[in-house]
Amino acid sequence: NAGVTQTPKFQVLKTGQSMTLQCAQDMNHNSMYWYRQDPGMGLRLIYYSASEGTTDKGEVPNGYNVSRLNKREFSLRLESAAPSQTSVYFCASSFGVRAYEQYFGPGTRLTVT
Amino acid sequence: GQQVMQIPQYQHVQEGEDFTTYCNSSTTLSNIQWYKQRPGGHPVFLIQLVKSGEVKKQKRLTFQFGEAKKNSSLHITATQTTDVGTYFCAGNYGGSQGNLIFGKGTKLSVKP
Repeated sequence: NAGVTQTPKFQVLKTGQSMTLQCAQDMNHNSMYWYRQDPGMGLRLIYYSASEGTTDKGEVPNGYNVSRLNKREFSLRLESAAPSQTSVYFCASSFGVRAYEQYFGPGTRLTVT
Repeated sequence: GQQVMQIPQYQHVQEGEDFTTYCNSSTTLSNIQWYKQRPGGHPVFLIQLVKSGEVKKQKRLTFQFGEAKKNSSLHITATQTTDVGTYFCAGNYGGSQGNLIFGKGTKLSVKP
């Protein structure tokens, strides 16, 4: 089992460009998450999907959109990238949202110039 | 919004010394989880605490959940260089909001 996979691993964008970060899990988990990690800020939740067909905003949703394509896949889209979105993005999954451990992917390091 | 405060932000210890990180919430938590992130890596789940006053041990790591379920701690006895990384607590408040709120983490460095 691969667990949680993310693509790409690294990405450099110019301001205003768009891109989609892909995430997939093979653990048959119901819930999936997107976090960003900035130095000294810990992990901040961008969006999450409690179950297939639902998505909800987290702490920092502005400038992002998500799609829960199916039970396995959860993508994060930046429509018009800004330097403030330079960060490391982690996707995670869990069996459910409330009292279940989260499994994280390896992360995508995004730089917006 | 709800916040989980974690201290200290950094801790430098000599190998063999003990280490403790603390998490506090202003409101009662449903449960709390702890994660470890090695340098350049991703967070990895360590443990979950659910009950008031709960204490769990994993080898040299001891996790506690306060009686009021508002605070938690992670204590490492006799640190080793393999303990290096950032330790995060993550609180769940239950109710309609099911997602975790992460503390900002404590970065541990260990001098051999």
